[in-house]
Amino acid sequence: DAGVTQSPTHLIKTRGQQVTLRCSPKSGHDTVSWYQQALGQGPQFIFQYYEEEERQRGNFPDRFSGHQFPNYSSELNVNALLLGDSALYLCASSYSAGRNNEQFFGPGTRLTVL
Amino acid sequence: AQSVTQLDSQVPVFEEAPVELRCNYSSSVSVYLFWYVQYPNQGLQLLLKYLSGSTLVKGINGFEAEFNKSQTSFHLRKPSVHISDTAEYFCAVSPPPSGTYKYIFGTGTRLKVLA
Repeated sequence: DAGVTQSPTHLIKTRGQQVTLRCSPKSGHDTVSWYQQALGQGPQFIFQYYEEEERQRGNFPDRFSGHQFPNYSSELNVNALLLGDSALYLCASSYSAGRNNEQFFGPGTRLTVL
Repeated sequence: AQSVTQLDSQVPVFEEAPVELRCNYSSSVSVYLFWYVQYPNQGLQLLLKYLSGSTLVKGINGFEAEFNKSQTSFHLRKPSVHISDTAEYFCAVSPPPSGTYKYIFGTGTRLKVLA
């Protein structure tokens, strides 16, 4: 079992650019959540995808958008990048019918905005 | 709404000494509680979780935590730490099975084990 995988590992962009991050969930999982972890902070919930739709969203602007594909993999898109978007972006997967709320996290994508 | 407070941003401790990392939460509904560890440049690894039942929860790597409903706390403990336990530790809460699985994290506690 490969677990949750994310790509790329690191990314450097400049202000105003757009970026796409990718996530493949753990085998058997159908739900993907995205979190932003700024330096020295805990992860903050961005949004969650289930059945190819955004099911819940945290307090993030519309510049942050996502997508889930039929194979349950997911993308996070950020438009008009700001310096403050520099962070570790974590993807977590879970099984919708699971009863214990457990999410499995990937290694993250480190985004640096210059 | 839920919130999590980790009272200590950094905890230095000597090797083989015991350690306690504190976590308090606020919620108007019952919650599930989690502790995660993050090693440098890595993602989050689950240490342990409290869903229901016994208030003393044992996890991996010799860690345990105790759920105290009256004090709304979920402190993490280890009787004897190793150098390899140096990492960032996050406490998190999640509402009961509702289909959303949204986690609320604390700001983390950096555990530094000294030789």
